[in-house]
Amino acid sequence: QIRLVQSGSEVKKPGASVKVSCKASGYNFKNYGISWVRQAPGQGLEWLGWINAYNGATSYAQKFQGRVSMTTDTSTNTAYLELGSLRSGDTAVYYCAKQDGGSHWYFDYWGQGTLVTVSS
Amino acid sequence: DIVLTQSPDSLAVSLGERATINCKSSQSVLYDFNNKTYLAWYQQKPGRPPKLLFYWASIRESGVPDRFSASGSATDFSLTISSLQAEDVAVYYCQQYSSDPTFGPGTRVDIK
Repeated sequence: QIRLVQSGSEVKKPGASVKVSCKASGYNFKNYGISWVRQAPGQGLEWLGWINAYNGATSYAQKFQGRVSMTTDTSTNTAYLELGSLRSGDTAVYYCAKQDGGSHWYFDYWGQGTLVTVSS
Repeated sequence: DIVLTQSPDSLAVSLGERATINCKSSQSVLYDFNNKTYLAWYQQKPGRPPKLLFYWASIRESGVPDRFSASGSATDFSLTISSLQAEDVAVYYCQQYSSDPTFGPGTRVDIK
């Protein structure tokens, strides 16, 4: 079955960077895109961007341009999200989500989420 | 960015009764070239990731009970639970994927 398993919780200080991993299994990793979506405590869902797992092409939400990076390692079927210049407003659960295609697709499978806490 | 609004913010429905959630888009999410409507619905229970319920506005994801239905086109959409069950208590989100994805603010469904 398709699974996305994310790395564990992180606590970071303001100004630091965090890197979250998302290991996929149960499907041909390179055939689908991966998006990253976050959810601040008690809030809604916010899309950060997506990566084409086949060629590594990325598209980031304008809000995060310049401090977000998404990569994949096709040898281990793992996607990575790196977010820099962290501030308290970045405290959230970060989800990876498999797109049922390339760009402009819905998200059919989600990781379990990774809590990132930014605190001094 | 395309802005999605949902109504109501929350609703409480008796077990076995109907619940309807509305989603309105600031722009059409219907692509004329392929006649597809780029809208999805998700269910999120506390402490869990969202779960896909519908895509292309009205296609039910495999395994979703048929008491759930979705409809709409262009800018106005709805999700209906025909007979609310206890396990349907959750927050429901609409999402458009015709451009950079955006989500509605969510509608909380509880038991009355």
